[in-house]
This record gives sequence, structure tokens and C-alpha cells, in this order.
Amino acid sequence: DAGVIQSPRHEVTEMGQEVTLRCKPISGHNSLFWYRQTMMRGLELLIYFNNNVPIDDSGMPEDRFSAKMPNASFSTLKIQPSEPRDSAVYFCASSTLQSGYTFGSGTRLTVV
Amino acid sequence: GENVEQHPSTLSVQEGDSAVIKCTYSDSASNYFPWYKQELGKGPQLIIDIRSNVGEKKDQRIAVTLNKTAKHFSLHITETQPEDSAVYFCAASPRGGATNKLIFGTGTLLAVQP
Repeated sequence: DAGVIQSPRHEVTEMGQEVTLRCKPISGHNSLFWYRQTMMRGLELLIYFNNNVPIDDSGMPEDRFSAKMPNASFSTLKIQPSEPRDSAVYFCASSTLQSGYTFGSGTRLTVV
Repeated sequence: GENVEQHPSTLSVQEGDSAVIKCTYSDSASNYFPWYKQELGKGPQLIIDIRSNVGEKKDQRIAVTLNKTAKHFSLHITETQPEDSAVYFCAASPRGGATNKLIFGTGTLLAVQP
């Protein structure tokens, strides 16, 4: 298995632009999570899905952030408009009850 | 909500020595406690986990202990090697299980000196 696949690996964008991060979970994993990692705040859960349905989005910082999971093999996290304080590494993870979380390699976002 | 505290924030040991990292949690309903290792430029990787129906679990040089009464759990690495150098995170699941959200500790930077 190729693991959890995230794209792009790096993204540099200007303030105000729309940013879309993509995630392909491991086949057969029914839960998907989006986390953000910064030095100041550590690993923060943004949103998670079970069987493609959003369960908890209380960690989404503002209305500028949105996430979708149109099918079991794809999810997106969108930031519109982006701001410099959104700069962070964004991780996607997928899991089953038996396997525990598997994280992707992350997307390093820089908003200038 | 759940709160996870992790200590120490940095730990330096000599190769071959043991390393211990400790975490406490606040929600007594939490019943799943994984540990992750994160190397530079990579995502966290699950190294061991424990559920609340057991008090200890071992996997080669790594062990985790859980004290539900005191609400704390610890990671023990024996015979440390330079390749163990990384950031280690503990986590707790406030609703239980690996398909629910995890609350992470703040991480411990482990440096193993050759």
C-alpha cells in the first residue's frame, strides 16, 4: 500500500489567494482526519470524517476553512482567502479501529 | 474537553541508556492511548498503542504503561540507539478508539548521543 498520499508537498501562495490541499486515504480506512502542526500550537485537529460524513469540525479555525470528502478515496481542505497566520504543516491521516492512525507526509503551506 | 500534558519537552540520553516520556490526560472516558514518532520532514508514525483494558504493552525495545486511576501513561525505550532520535508524541482519544479524534501532547524531542 502506498500509504496516505497528500499533495502538494509544498505550497507557497500570496495572502488572499485560495489554497486547496488534497488527500488520498488508505483503501479500506473509513475515518479521515485533517490536522495542522505549528511550533506554537502543536498538532491540532481541524476536522474528521467517518464513512465520508463530517463528524466534528469544531477545530476549523474560521469560515475561511472548509473540507470535503466526496468519496471514500479523496478529501480536500480549502482555505479561502489565505492569510499569513495559516502558514503551517497540514497533515491528513486515515484509520480503522484495528490499524490506528496512519499519517501522510504533510503539506507545508507558506502564505506570504 | 480532553487535555493531554507531556513531559519532558526535551530529553538527551547516551546510547544504550533508557528513555522515559510521561503523559497525563484529563478525561476519564478516554480509552485509547497511542504514541507517535516524528522524524524531521515526515508525518507522525504510530509506534505503539494501548487500550484502557490493559496496564502494559511491550514491543521489542518499546513499552507503554497505563495507570487509569492516576490518568497517566508512559513510554519506555530501552537500549536506545541514535536512530531513536526524533520527536515523540503521546495522544488520547476522548471518545475512545482509533476512528475518533486524538488529542496530542506537545511532544518530546529525544536526542540519543552516540
